[in-house]
Amino acid sequence: QVQLQESGPGLAKPSETLSLTCTVSGVSISDYYWSWIRQSAGKGLEWIGRKHSSGNTDYNPSLKSRVIMSLDTSKSQFSLSLGSVTAADTAVYYCARESLLLLEGYYIDTWGQGTLVTVSS
Amino acid sequence: DIQMTQSPSSLSASVGDRVTIICRASQSITTYLNWYQLKPGKAPKLLIYGASILESGVPTRFSGSGSGTEFSLTISNLQPEDFATYYCQQTYSLPVFGGGTKVEIK
Repeated sequence: QVQLQESGPGLAKPSETLSLTCTVSGVSISDYYWSWIRQSAGKGLEWIGRKHSSGNTDYNPSLKSRVIMSLDTSKSQFSLSLGSVTAADTAVYYCARESLLLLEGYYIDTWGQGTLVTVSS
Repeated sequence: DIQMTQSPSSLSASVGDRVTIICRASQSITTYLNWYQLKPGKAPKLLIYGASILESGVPTRFSGSGSGTEFSLTISNLQPEDFATYYCQQTYSLPVFGGGTKVEIK
């Protein structure tokens, strides 16, 4: 059974960097794309980006200048860094696994429970 | 950028009802459309991928259809556990979610 668990500080200061880690169990981290999605209070879902162990990486253009994603295959973890945060970055952050099929495209088939990150001084 | 518009943004329904949620894309996305269910405090759940393929383990009362720019998610015989928020997502280009539809108890 594939399980994903987010971890990291629940509070970040404005202008600083938000850092989160997702620990993967039940599957090899080398075989899929790994993603981050967020949901601000009262708003919808926003896809942040994804990364594959091959190095292939895609970021949301609206966040690209502030986002770095990385994978640590030895620890079966992947990470998100979001720089220069503001209150608008306060959200529940989800890590997730994206699968890719030729005819069906990408889809997120496994999600973590999510972790709330508040940006405040 | 491809924009995704869901309607309605919320609806009230009763157990046993048939419910349909619409998702429209600003340009053709063929069938690169997924549907998810979100409940507070729980991990989101994939329901449908490729516009109409039911994810393993998802009850057959959920169904998806459409292609091009218009898609729908139908829940037949609505059950108490189906009261949640539903999102569509296009993956024809970099993923974008719709605005969500909250299904509430009437």
